[in-house]
Amino acid sequence: GEDVEQSLFLSVREGDSSVINCTYTDSSSTYLYWYKQEPGAGLQLLTYIFSNMDMKQDQRLTVLLNKKDKHLSLRIADTQTGDSAIYFCAESGYDKIIFGKGTRLHILP
Amino acid sequence: GAVVSQHPSRVICKSGTSVKIECRSLDFQATTMFWYRQFPKKSLMLMATSNEGSKATYEQGVEKDKFLINHASLTLSTLTVTSAHPEDSSFYICSAQVSSGSRETQYFGPGTRLLVL
Repeated sequence: GEDVEQSLFLSVREGDSSVINCTYTDSSSTYLYWYKQEPGAGLQLLTYIFSNMDMKQDQRLTVLLNKKDKHLSLRIADTQTGDSAIYFCAESGYDKIIFGKGTRLHILP
Repeated sequence: GAVVSQHPSRVICKSGTSVKIECRSLDFQATTMFWYRQFPKKSLMLMATSNEGSKATYEQGVEKDKFLINHASLTLSTLTVTSAHPEDSSFYICSAQVSSGSRETQYFGPGTRLLVL
């Protein structure tokens, strides 16, 4: 069946770049999303990429999409303590959106 | 693994009627459930946060009298769209959150497509 996978944990030193990876299975997905969840809160959209794009940059965030390999990544430049959260990758098409289990980003001092 | 179901998966209703959508955690108890709405070609919008036994917390711009949320038990939350209008047509998704120590894990339902005629 359709699936989205991402690693569960990532530790990064403050000031370094964080790269969170995600793989998905449905090649018909139209949009791919990255969401951020802070403790006690719901998901908030960070950024998204349309399936016919291969890169999108938004300030400290860079999304790379390799459609052939069905691989999506989120790079956070100059990681700050405020970036500590759970990051969810999701793919969507008509009448569906499938989420990964989330990657917990831990910032080391 | 943990499963969250939504019922119905699709519903078509006439303008002015009310529609209830159920979100159930099937094999675990969820302290918190979230309700989202997905707009065409856009992402999820968080509508409200629902905690069992207390009133839901609505996001800014979401009408609480129109989107009634009842979190009756640790396994069931319902969203009722009252006096539905065509602009309420959307894809509604719930998620159930489990807290274990300092770790929170979120499980998503498959979504409910609402079409208001």
